Amino acid sequence: GQNIDQPTEMTATEGAIVQINCTYQTSGFNGLFWYQQHAGEAPTFLSYNVLDGLEEKGRFSSFLSRSKGYSYLLLKELQMKDSASYLCAVSLPAFGDYKLSFGAGTTVTVRA
Amino acid sequence: GAVVSQHPSRVICKSGTSVKIECRSLDFQATTMFWYRQFPKQSLMLMATSNEGSKATYEQGVEKDKFLINHASLTLSTLTVTSAHPEDSSFYICSARDGTGYEQYFGPGTRLTVT
Repeated sequence: GQNIDQPTEMTATEGAIVQINCTYQTSGFNGLFWYQQHAGEAPTFLSYNVLDGLEEKGRFSSFLSRSKGYSYLLLKELQMKDSASYLCAVSLPAFGDYKLSFGAGTTVTVRA
Repeated sequence: GAVVSQHPSRVICKSGTSVKIECRSLDFQATTMFWYRQFPKQSLMLMATSNEGSKATYEQGVEKDKFLINHASLTLSTLTVTSAHPEDSSFYICSARDGTGYEQYFGPGTRLTVT
């Protein structure tokens, strides 16, 4: 089976920074995705890392270390609308294509 | 671009009946489509992967005779939940890849309630 672990919940204050960690042990690896999901809605794409290092995109940054099986999503200048679930997903090879295996998700609550 | 739609968005059915959910890629050709299920406060669980014109590949533990998947064209995949039971009540989400990039584009999801 695939093991993808992330914290269940995190709380932070508006304007602050929060870092969501994700560790993985999977049979294969083609990259790591981060998605944001609001309750009752589909996930929306935030970032994709396939090489080691930091990818920055506005207020969101994502880091990957393949040798450590580790990634984090950094959310800066938190806003109330950032309250959501954040899903870490590993892309795995599957029958000549790719499939995603998701972690359980981290619920981030932003307080005023 | 890269829009995926699902229909219906919500459906309520009686136990024992069958329900069909459609997933369409609106502005690209989806070589591969994926079906996920998400129970409350849990993550997305992949149910099956389907390629146009071929049989779907089901994940371990997913009953292929209960969850029928058809990928008849490059823009349409359907999931039919047969003989639905209350424990099948869940949020069903499809996604699609265009075969060129790495990203999956997700549909808005279908909330199924079986009474």
